[in-house]
Amino acid sequence: AQSVAQPEDQVNVAEGNPLTVKCTYSVSGNPYLFWYVQYPNRGLQFLLKYITGDNLVKGSYGFEAEFNKSQTSFHLKKPSALVSDSALYFCAVRAAGSNDYKLSFGAGTTVTVRA
Amino acid sequence: NAGVMQNPRHLVRRRGQEARLRCSPMKGHSHVYWYRQLPEEGLKFMVYLQKENIIDESGMPKERFSAEFPKEGPSILRIQQVVRGDSAAYFCASSIRQGGTEAFFGQGTRLTVV
Repeated sequence: AQSVAQPEDQVNVAEGNPLTVKCTYSVSGNPYLFWYVQYPNRGLQFLLKYITGDNLVKGSYGFEAEFNKSQTSFHLKKPSALVSDSALYFCAVRAAGSNDYKLSFGAGTTVTVRA
Repeated sequence: NAGVMQNPRHLVRRRGQEARLRCSPMKGHSHVYWYRQLPEEGLKFMVYLQKENIIDESGMPKERFSAEFPKEGPSILRIQQVVRGDSAAYFCASSIRQGGTEAFFGQGTRLTVV
């Protein structure tokens, strides 16, 4: 079975400060890892993914995430948060391989960036 | 290239009515996945379809829920005799192949059962 944990329901930061959203996962074999963002009353927007290669992955809107196999983590980071980054963030995992397709999502972390 | 299109965006149904949710995948995508997002929860996998075939419906409730993806037209998620607990956001995703590393999500249909 595969699963994702996002230990923080909410993250609050001041604009201009670093932002970190935590994610840990469990999966059989190698993981494919994803971050999505959901703005109010909108769909899911893809931010970035880890498939293979460099552990540090860069994505949209200045976000990056670091894959740590030993800690089974894939934390999302942004060096300098913007008010417009306020949204709901989901981490997702699936097993690597062409026969796997089922994404498992965390419960989400609400990010609030105050001006 | 239009993204994944879902309609309606919002749907209100009275208890006992039927709900039909539509999903048109991205052009060239023949793999469709439905997910449900209950309040305060992440998305949960429901069903995976290819054209005219249900590949995996392990996440679908055993009763009242069905899905199809006909040769022509959108994928349909059908909920019969809706109950208040069906109120949720239903998201559709599509990919160009099974196991593709990117699944593109639609904007979702928010179903409210009154």
